[in-house]
Amino acid sequence: KQEVTQIPAALSVPEGENLVLNCSFTDSAIYNLQWFRQDPGKGLTSLLLIQSSQREQTSGRLNASLDKSSGRSTLYIAASQPGDSATYLCAVRRTQGGSEKLVFGKGTKLTVNP
Amino acid sequence: SAVISQKPSRDICQRGTSLTIQCQVDSQVTMMFWYRQQPGQSLTLIATANQGSEATYESGFVIDKFPISRPNLTFSTLTVSNMSPEDSSIYLCSVRTGHNQPQHFGDGTRLSIL
Repeated sequence: KQEVTQIPAALSVPEGENLVLNCSFTDSAIYNLQWFRQDPGKGLTSLLLIQSSQREQTSGRLNASLDKSSGRSTLYIAASQPGDSATYLCAVRRTQGGSEKLVFGKGTKLTVNP
Repeated sequence: SAVISQKPSRDICQRGTSLTIQCQVDSQVTMMFWYRQQPGQSLTLIATANQGSEATYESGFVIDKFPISRPNLTFSTLTVSNMSPEDSSIYLCSVRTGHNQPQHFGDGTRLSIL
């Protein structure tokens, strides 16, 4: 059974700091991994999708890496801003032929202080 | 990316009643899913909504409790039946436009049962 763990559960940083959020998964047989952010009272916003054959993806100040063999992904946020404050969720999708579902971690709640 | 509209955005219901949640997408999508997010928890897949046939339910979820319809490629409903306080959660519709595409979520329906 796939389990996804995110560390830390909460993080508070001053504005401008670079930071790394961690995600680990127990079964390396994944199809892809997706990072989301969830603002209070809102749904999920997709940030980055990494296919199992890829090592990293970048979008603006965000960079996500994937090491499938070790079961790890990181989300790097450069020059953090108060608007980055949200809960960040990592989710993995099983390989083709298995369930289509995403398995989510519990998230990291990020607070960026002005 | 697809724009997903969910109705209602929130509701407070009496124990023993049922509520139907609607999910409308602005384009045809191959995959539609319903997730639940219980307070303080991450997301759990309830079922995959299949167009023109019965939904595929995950372990722990049954059709009598969570009947799902998907009459076409842009619309689905989830009914939460015979509600109890344990059903108080956020219910989210999610779609994927293609096999290798990212998954997107609606803003969710915040349901409280008294």
